[in-house]
Amino acid sequence: GAGVSQSPRYKVAKRGQDVALRCDPISGHVSLFWYQQALGQGPEFLTYFQNEAQLDKSGLPSDRFFAERPEGSVSTLKIQRTQQEDSAVYLCASSLELGAEAFFGQGTRLTVV
Amino acid sequence: KQEVTQIPAALSVPEGENLVLNCSFTDSAIYNLQWFRQDPGKGLTSLLLIQSSQREQTSGRLNASLDKSSGRSTLYIAASQPGDSATYLCAVRRTGGFKTIFGAGTRLFVKA
Repeated sequence: GAGVSQSPRYKVAKRGQDVALRCDPISGHVSLFWYQQALGQGPEFLTYFQNEAQLDKSGLPSDRFFAERPEGSVSTLKIQRTQQEDSAVYLCASSLELGAEAFFGQGTRLTVV
Repeated sequence: KQEVTQIPAALSVPEGENLVLNCSFTDSAIYNLQWFRQDPGKGLTSLLLIQSSQREQTSGRLNASLDKSSGRSTLYIAASQPGDSATYLCAVRRTGGFKTIFGAGTRLFVKA
């Protein structure tokens, strides 16, 4: 596709529910990043993939958060047993390689009620 | 630990004014620095990417400079327009790492 695509755009989850957020990066982009953005703040790094390898997951806030990119293209961020503090916008970005210009998707706004 | 600060947090200017947004970072061992704009409810749009070996980058009315030794970058916007109203974010990637650290952003409002 022409840009990074994320789905769904909006997700409302009941506390305790599991959610899965999808990211379709730009075709051919090796690097893929996930970020969490709270209202009025800059994005905070969650995890980084180089192709299918998850090279850095130091930003994942707890073991309820899990990300995968099994074929080196589409990535899924899964949050188990959602809590209210998980409410945020989740942004995905891709770049041709590490250090190249990063392109962001529109984000998924998650609201946990 | 890398910290990125953006000043001012918010700025309101009349149309046509030239303006400067500031970004400072605490660790000078950076690989690159990128400026983004974010419109309400939208993702981030890349504006300029400066590699650590570069001093500045220009695109149209935008010019970004980088001074690693002082831990500063500036984004200069010439002849501002109402369509420039958005939040501007700077992001720094450390040498040898994967993590990109963002500032909290500067909210810019250009009055017609």
